[in-house]
Amino acid sequence: GQQLNQSPQSMFIQEGEDVSMNCTSSSIFNTWLWYKQDPGEGPVLLIALYKAGELTSNGRLTAQFGITRKDSFLNISASIPSDVGIYFCAGQLHMRFGAGTRLTVKP
Amino acid sequence: NAGVTQTPKFQVLKTGQSMTLQCAQDMNHNSMYWYRQDPGMGLRLIYYSASEGTTDKGEVPNGYNVSRLNKREFSLRLESAAPSQTSVYFCASSKTGITEAFFGQGTRLTVV
Repeated sequence: GQQLNQSPQSMFIQEGEDVSMNCTSSSIFNTWLWYKQDPGEGPVLLIALYKAGELTSNGRLTAQFGITRKDSFLNISASIPSDVGIYFCAGQLHMRFGAGTRLTVKP
Repeated sequence: NAGVTQTPKFQVLKTGQSMTLQCAQDMNHNSMYWYRQDPGMGLRLIYYSASEGTTDKGEVPNGYNVSRLNKREFSLRLESAAPSQTSVYFCASSKTGITEAFFGQGTRLTVV
């Protein structure tokens, strides 16, 4: 079946640093999605990408839909303590998720 | 606008007991999903319903059944709970099968 490989698994960074994470798939996706999950909560949508090559920003977050439709990346600029959490990529059709990137931001 | 509502929020079951997790969405979405999330892991798709009247297996369907009761509601049933089913269960919905999904707050299930 469809498999999403998300990396890195975890990141420890200093406040103010930029962060980059990516997701690759063995299958083509129509849509790439990036979510953030805080402890004890459900995932919350950060960015949705619908077109190959699309580059979309949401505040300090920027994500791109790879041209091959098999990959996507998420960048966070100038990280702050509230960026701490688990970031998941997901691909539609039928909403398959990567294993997540656990982000820790040291003040 | 409540979005996706799951009940209950917490549940403890004994091995062999059965229960149904309820999910309802008020966004007029066509597609609905059930996931489980184990500690330190991502979300694994149990079952999904692309539209009212249809259901399909996801990655980890064994031990579960689902019912798409109507457009709003999608329930997940454990017929005979096992300790391996201890997990946090999330329901989600999306307008179509290729649009973004929105999640409920989760049901934390422990099977002893």
